[in-house]
Amino acid sequence: DIQMTQSPASLSASVGDRVTITCRASRTINIYLNWYRQKPGKAPELLIYAASSLQGGVPSRFSGSESGTDFTLTISSLQPEDFATYYCQQSYDIPYTFGQGTKVQI
Amino acid sequence: QVTLRESGPALVKPTQTLTLTCTFSGFSLTTTGMCVSWVRQPPGKALEWLARIDWDDDTYYNTSLKTRLTISKDTSKNQVVLTMTNMDPVDTTTYYCARIRSKSPAVAEFGLDYWGPGTLVTVSS
Repeated sequence: DIQMTQSPASLSASVGDRVTITCRASRTINIYLNWYRQKPGKAPELLIYAASSLQGGVPSRFSGSESGTDFTLTISSLQPEDFATYYCQQSYDIPYTFGQGTKVQI
Repeated sequence: QVTLRESGPALVKPTQTLTLTCTFSGFSLTTTGMCVSWVRQPPGKALEWLARIDWDDDTYYNTSLKTRLTISKDTSKNQVVLTMTNMDPVDTTTYYCARIRSKSPAVAEFGLDYWGPGTLVTVSS
């Protein structure tokens, strides 16, 4: 199985901050890396697919990039609704695997 | 408008078989490229992908749970069913179903784009 190593596990930030979360795959996953935001008690919501494509309806403050097996999610200006847990996921090979999550808190 | 909703028992006993149903609307599992997956999440822990079924009846399973899982579909009812045998208290978790649009076998090029709200299943005697 492909292992997804996500960091940091948690971070503290303020409204308006620029936030970066990284994810590393244990082997090549092409560009098939997705990012999700999960608010407490809610289902995950897709933010970015295929490393850098913004899902429809998602604000442009979210962006993704890739360099080999390293992937990055950037939130350019953190908003109150962005205090949540973020997960990366590879969807290149079965079984799909998720990172351990990054909790973004105040 | 795409929606999915999970349903099933809130409580099952150890060793029993769990049957969960995902009822969806806004797309059809007879359309090329459409797929549905199941994902679970123990309280306070990370997401774990379980299984996927495709429009052409191809199925895929989590390696570690493969012997316990069966995924099937009823296209006339717009439903996908997941069964998990030999339930254990460690299987106490929220189960989600989600839609996938796929161009290549086994790959989910567009991620899991729509999710149900989830259903919490507790395993206890």
